[in-house]
Amino acid sequence: GAVVSQHPSWVICKSGTSVKIECRSLDFQATTMFWYRQFPKQSLMLMATSNEGSKATYEQGVEKDKFLINHASLTLSTLTVTSAHPEDSSFYICSARAGLGAFFGQGTRLTVV
Amino acid sequence: QKEVEQNSGPLSVPEGAIASLNCTYSDRGSQSFFWYRQYSGKSPELIMSIYSNGDKEDGRFTAQLNKASQYVSLLIRDSQPSDSATYLCAVNDDMRFGAGTRLTVKP
Repeated sequence: GAVVSQHPSWVICKSGTSVKIECRSLDFQATTMFWYRQFPKQSLMLMATSNEGSKATYEQGVEKDKFLINHASLTLSTLTVTSAHPEDSSFYICSARAGLGAFFGQGTRLTVV
Repeated sequence: QKEVEQNSGPLSVPEGAIASLNCTYSDRGSQSFFWYRQYSGKSPELIMSIYSNGDKEDGRFTAQLNKASQYVSLLIRDSQPSDSATYLCAVNDDMRFGAGTRLTVKP
């Protein structure tokens, strides 16, 4: 299957700082990528759909100014959590469609202290 | 009505049994169907896709699609403890997932 690489796999940051998470499609071009957040023992929640060369589409209730998404190339999308707070601590996962079906990055575990 | 619904579980089966996971969908025109598996603390992975009515087998996994009744199932034969995970159903291009079905296979 297609490979999606996400970096970093875990990060600890101080409250008030920003964190950038990268998502790369390694062996295919991804015009669309997806960003999810998952709290412990909860469902995977779609945050936004990232489109190459255009603005991301955010799901209802997701703050677009807090979760900045950039999809500057066909193989790279980034999610920046700005002014992070402890309640932003979560597991963030990206995915991309390749042919039929979607492939997921390894996820980034963010802890804000 | 939600577009895609799964039996919420949790589902518990003994090792070696057949685990049956079900998913119903509302859009009669749906064309593609996917099953993902998510282990606790990990990201999901695609395990099966099916597009035509009938069965599709891949090792111990069989996906069954019935478009007339608008459901898709995943059967896991000879269930193993390593199959314990949450299974997510997806339809067409919709990348929103529900809670999925949590499967526990007991030794």
